Amino acid sequence: DIQMTQSPSSLSASVGDRVTITCRASQGVTTYLAWYQQKPGKVPNLLIYAASALQSGVPSRFSGSGSGTDFTLTISSLQPEDVATYYCQKYNSAPLTFGGGTKVEIK
Amino acid sequence: EVQLLESGGGLVQPGGSLRLSCAASGFTFSSYAMSWVRQAPGEGLEWVSAITGSGGTTYYADSVKGRFTISRDNSKNTLYLQMNSLRAEDTAVYYCAKGEVVIIKGSFDYWGQGTLVTVSS
Repeated sequence: DIQMTQSPSSLSASVGDRVTITCRASQGVTTYLAWYQQKPGKVPNLLIYAASALQSGVPSRFSGSGSGTDFTLTISSLQPEDVATYYCQKYNSAPLTFGGGTKVEIK
Repeated sequence: EVQLLESGGGLVQPGGSLRLSCAASGFTFSSYAMSWVRQAPGEGLEWVSAITGSGGTTYYADSVKGRFTISRDNSKNTLYLQMNSLRAEDTAVYYCAKGEVVIIKGSFDYWGQGTLVTVSS
């Protein structure tokens, strides 16, 4: 099975900082890659699908890139409401594995 | 408006069974694959099982294969997860999630609020 590895597992950044989270697949998944945001105590929310497509209603400061095995989620200017844990997920085939998550905090 | 409402969670003893339900509304249920995703307390997301829009094909994580069964009733717009031989490590919030397309090759664009399953004696 394909493993999904996220890094870092946590980060702390200042408001306005550019934040980058990486996700690596142990085998290629083309662009069948999604990113989700889960705020504390809330349900996960789809941010990015097909590696780089922004889900409707998601602020444009979020962007995704990559294909094959290496992917990134970028927050261009971190806002207080972005405090959350972020997960990548591959969905090219079962199992539809999630990465371990990246917890983002404000410094 | 898409809505997913899970039910059926609760406290069960090890070795016991539970059936979760997810009532869907606001979209053509049979046109989309559905999944169950769980989250143990303080842990990350774990995909559990998926089913195609027709219900003809099902998929399972190795951790639940042979113990859990996913199904759907498209006439009732409802997704199910029958959980047997439950273990302490199955304790989690269980979410149902809607896929983007009829097969499983889609991200999860809507999630339910989740239902808590606690396996303990």
